[in-house]
Amino acid sequence: TQLLEQSPQFLSIQEGENLTVYCNSSSVFSSLQWYRQEPGEGPVLLVTVVTGGEVKKLKRLTFQFGDARKDSSLHITAAQPGDTGLYLCAVTNAGNMLTFGGGTRLMVKP
Amino acid sequence: DTGVSQNPRHKITKRGQNVTFRCDPISEHNRLYWYRQTLGQGPEFLTYFQNEAQLEKSRLLSDRFSAERPKGSFSTLEIQRTEQGDSAMYLCASSFVVSAYGYTFGSGTRLTVV
Repeated sequence: TQLLEQSPQFLSIQEGENLTVYCNSSSVFSSLQWYRQEPGEGPVLLVTVVTGGEVKKLKRLTFQFGDARKDSSLHITAAQPGDTGLYLCAVTNAGNMLTFGGGTRLMVKP
Repeated sequence: DTGVSQNPRHKITKRGQNVTFRCDPISEHNRLYWYRQTLGQGPEFLTYFQNEAQLEKSRLLSDRFSAERPKGSFSTLEIQRTEQGDSAMYLCASSFVVSAYGYTFGSGTRLTVV
């Protein structure tokens, strides 16, 4: 069983649609990060959330950290083809090392 | 500083050969990490350094794998006697000790063992 379960694993939508992806765990975390990874590249940090219930916005992306700090969601409004990629959530352990979820692979068709 | 640099970007090798990858981190970062990523999965932790000291190694890091960071700057990851199961993207990242600022990843080295 993975520490972080991401769902869905794959998502294919049309340009302009809205979507939400999830990152769930049974453990409590002090912070959680979201990364986006394009094919052939390394992950790029999008946001860090640290407070239960926290909501952060990055243009059309809205990130929420669950009240109990066990889960998080990423909502994209009016998706564009440039949003295509692998979305990864990650948490740090006691040694400040990142553990990643399995990712959600998003494809946005024009 | 141009970020984290990894070389080579791609490597094709025959089973049984040794390969070595290099990572040049962001110079201000004192932590350097190696991760492995297979297709469709999230990155899996292999090992990390704080300055020149290797502080932790994953169970995934068999004795065929060795990593060094001789002067606390660049790092190398060597795989001896490669196997087909070693085929993956090898990612390097660097960070400050407190990772709340996130890791900066390189573009990775894609290894294909034939």
